[in-house]
Amino acid sequence: AQRVTQPEKLLSVFKGAPVELKCNYSYSGSPELFWYVQYSRQRLQLLLRHISRESIKGFTADLNKGETSFHLKKPFAQEEDSAMYYCALNYNFNKFYFGSGTKLNVKP
Amino acid sequence: DAGVTQSPTHLIKTRGQQVTLRCSPKSGHDTVSWYQQALGQGPQFIFQYYEEEERQRGNFPDRFSGHQFPNYSSELNVNALLLGDSALYLCASSSGSLGYNEQFFGPGTRLTVL
Repeated sequence: AQRVTQPEKLLSVFKGAPVELKCNYSYSGSPELFWYVQYSRQRLQLLLRHISRESIKGFTADLNKGETSFHLKKPFAQEEDSAMYYCALNYNFNKFYFGSGTKLNVKP
Repeated sequence: DAGVTQSPTHLIKTRGQQVTLRCSPKSGHDTVSWYQQALGQGPQFIFQYYEEEERQRGNFPDRFSGHQFPNYSSELNVNALLLGDSALYLCASSSGSLGYNEQFFGPGTRLTVL
């Protein structure tokens, strides 16, 4: 069955430290993967998608089909990165599965 | 453009009742998806509407039904409410049929079932 696992509920790092939010997926087909972010008192919004191979706000994510992972990385965390991050999988043509989320706390 | 709008903001119902939630998509969007988000969990996909038809459905019982109107707005109906239906209900809109298109989320409707 298709599934998205985000093993860390909370990740705390200091400002300027590297950050990696883990996401593992289970899907036998060709996955379309996304990272969504929710800042405090704001709506859920798209951060990046693997198909675009882009860097947004310094974040990147590489799809590793061998390890079935789509980890989100940033070399130097900023306080404004503190938010809730969700990894999401689009499977079977527009059926979506979201992970349970990781709360990132960047300390000054 | 106000983006995706949802009404009402909050709703309190009792077990067994029926509820209707409403969503207006972002201007130019023709696809609406509904999600249920329980406390401390990620959004769970309920279904998606495109061209006024349910295109995809998640693992939700038939008590959950929906509709999309010609102006692309959408309704989510839940019958025979259970305590476990208490959650934040999110609407998201996107453009076209491509799965990698960005979804824009609304602020949600908080449903409490007593």
